[in-house]
Amino acid sequence: GEDVEQSLFLSVREGDSSVINCTYTDSSSTYLYWYKQEPGAGLQLLTYIFSNMDMKQDQRLTVLLNKKDKHLSLRIADTQTGDSAIYFCAERGGGGYQKVTFGTGTKLQVIP
Amino acid sequence: GAVVSQHPSWVICKSGTSVKIECRSLDFQATTMFWYRQFPKQSLMLMATSNEGSKATYEQGVEKDKFLINHASLTLSTLTVTSAHPEDSSFYICSAPRASGSTDTQYFGPGTRLTVL
Repeated sequence: GEDVEQSLFLSVREGDSSVINCTYTDSSSTYLYWYKQEPGAGLQLLTYIFSNMDMKQDQRLTVLLNKKDKHLSLRIADTQTGDSAIYFCAERGGGGYQKVTFGTGTKLQVIP
Repeated sequence: GAVVSQHPSWVICKSGTSVKIECRSLDFQATTMFWYRQFPKQSLMLMATSNEGSKATYEQGVEKDKFLINHASLTLSTLTVTSAHPEDSSFYICSAPRASGSTDTQYFGPGTRLTVL
């Protein structure tokens, strides 16, 4: 089955850039997502990218996709303490079936 | 923007009782909704796909007789945890895909925290 992996923890200083990495195995992925989850809360969609794109930028967020290596990254510029949360990458397979497989989540800790 | 709601946001029940969780798409119709379960400090695990007007599709290892899913309308799916036990305590999240032009995106509900005593 599909597998999505992330590193479990990342610590950065406020104002620095954060880069969260994700690898996946499904070569037929059509969409790749980044979600943010704050403690005790549901998921918030941050951004997504089509599988035929290499990069997408949205304000402080930059998503890079290397489809050949099945590697996805999320860069947060000028990281703020409010960015502290768990970040999940997720992929949606092809074939018209909308099942989404989630990564294990990366806990981002921003140090003031 | 698209909003998916869940009710209740949290529930505490006694072991052996049944609990119903509702998932609603508030400003769009969803023929398909998904139910996930999240244990503390873990990722979301897909439990089942809820299909409007037909039976739900359950992931391997999920007991369909224990987790009853009903997708009675294009905006409502319900998950009933029957004869709940403490090991069913978890955070349950639903999602619904919404198409917008040539794209679609999964929108998630805020989750329901179930605690079984």
